[in-house]
Amino acid sequence: KQEVTQIPAALSVPEGENLVLNCSFTDSAIYNLQWFRQDPGKGLTSLLLIQSSQREQTSGRLNASLDKSSGRSTLYIAASQPGDSATYLCAVPPSGNTPLVFGKGTRLSVIA
Amino acid sequence: DVKVTQSSRYLVKRTGEKVFLECVQDMDHENMFWYRQDPGLGLRLIYFSYDVKMKEKGDIPEGYSVSREKKERFSLILESASTNQTSMYLCASSLTGTGGWGNQPQHFGDGTRLSIL
Repeated sequence: KQEVTQIPAALSVPEGENLVLNCSFTDSAIYNLQWFRQDPGKGLTSLLLIQSSQREQTSGRLNASLDKSSGRSTLYIAASQPGDSATYLCAVPPSGNTPLVFGKGTRLSVIA
Repeated sequence: DVKVTQSSRYLVKRTGEKVFLECVQDMDHENMFWYRQDPGLGLRLIYFSYDVKMKEKGDIPEGYSVSREKKERFSLILESASTNQTSMYLCASSLTGTGGWGNQPQHFGDGTRLSIL
C-alpha cells in the first residue's frame, strides 16, 4: 500500500531564504505527484502537478522535482516571503483512476 | 477560476442527528470527493463520485453516505452523528482528462468544521 511521508513536520525560516520541502513515497509506480498549499482553516490549493515521465515543474518561485526511482520529490521555494507561510502537502495517485494518497504536510513559517 | 463551495464553514450538531454537508462546483467537473482532515492523521478519503448517481467508497466510509443527483452537487450524509465524527470536512472536484481523473489537479472548497456534541 502506498505511503507518503513528509519530513520535517514543521519548518521555520527567515524571510528571503531559499528552502526545500521533502516528500517521499514507498511505491515508485506512481502516475504523477501533486503539491498543494493549505492556509490555516482553509481548503487546499493545487500548486504543481508533475507527470511520472517528467523530472520537474516550475511555477514562479516554486520548483518541484521528481525522482521516481528513489521515491522522492522536493519543492523548492526561492526567496521565501511571509506570505508563503502555510502547510504544504504532497500527494500521489497510484494510477490514472485511483484516489490521491496524501502526506501529512510540512507546516512552513517564514519570519519577517 | 474553479469554485468549489461548501454550504457551511462551521456547523454544530448533536449526537444521533442526521447531518447533511453540501458541496457545489461550478466548472462541470465529472469527479467529486469528500475528505476529512484530522490532526496527526492527515486527509482521508471518505467517498468519491466519478459521475452522476455513481459513488465509490474511500478509505473510511463507515458512518457516512453520499448523494450525487446532479453533476454539480455532491452531498455527504452522516446518518447518525457521533462525537468521533467531529472533524474538518473538505470537498474537492476534478476533471477527467487524458490518462484518467487521477491525472488532473483537484480543486478544494474551504471546508466545513463540524462539531458533534
